[in-house]
Amino acid sequence: DIVMTQSPDSLAVSLGERATINCKSSQSVLYTSNNKNYLAWYQQKPGQPPKLLIYWASTREFGVPDRFSGSGSGTDFTLTISSLQAEDVAVYYCQQYYTTPPYTFGQGTKVEIK
Amino acid sequence: EVQLVESGGNLVQPGGSLRLSCSASGFTFSRYAMHWVRQAPGKGLEYASSISDDGLRTYYADSVKGRFTISRDNSKNTLYLHMTSLRAEDTAVYYCVKKHSSAWYDYWGQGTLVTVSS
Repeated sequence: DIVMTQSPDSLAVSLGERATINCKSSQSVLYTSNNKNYLAWYQQKPGQPPKLLIYWASTREFGVPDRFSGSGSGTDFTLTISSLQAEDVAVYYCQQYYTTPPYTFGQGTKVEIK
Repeated sequence: EVQLVESGGNLVQPGGSLRLSCSASGFTFSRYAMHWVRQAPGKGLEYASSISDDGLRTYYADSVKGRFTISRDNSKNTLYLHMTSLRAEDTAVYYCVKKHSSAWYDYWGQGTLVTVSS
């Protein structure tokens, strides 16, 4: 199975500042035939199910604010919140969907307000 | 509007069994693979099991293989997870998840809590 490792486990950022979350996969999730990275990001607020933010590593889901962006390729990926808002307090997960199941998740990164 | 509504979660003793259901609406259920993802209290997300759109292919995490059985009834737009030989470590919220045709998870249910304890 592909192992997904996120860093840091938690971070505290001031309102309006940038938050950066990293995700590393144990093997490449770049499918060379279509040049797409099979990686998604989800946001989970307390007491709620996860919500899809980004797929193909950098494509925002419809309705997701543009302060959220994804980047990276191969084995190293980043989720950036350009200007943290109070409603962004949540746990963020990366997930690979490169292989047949299991579609493994990172361990999660908790984002809080400093 | 896509809706996934799980039911069947409960308190069960170690070694016991339970069947979860997920009622789907708002999309053509028979066209999409469906997954169960679980989350232990205070922990991260863990893939549990999945089934192809036609129900012919099933997959399981190693942690549940041989104890859990996933199935679906496309005529009833319903997904199931039959869990046996339950252990304390199976305690979690179980989410029913719709897989997008390109493979990410685009819709999640609200989850149903399974507690395994004596």
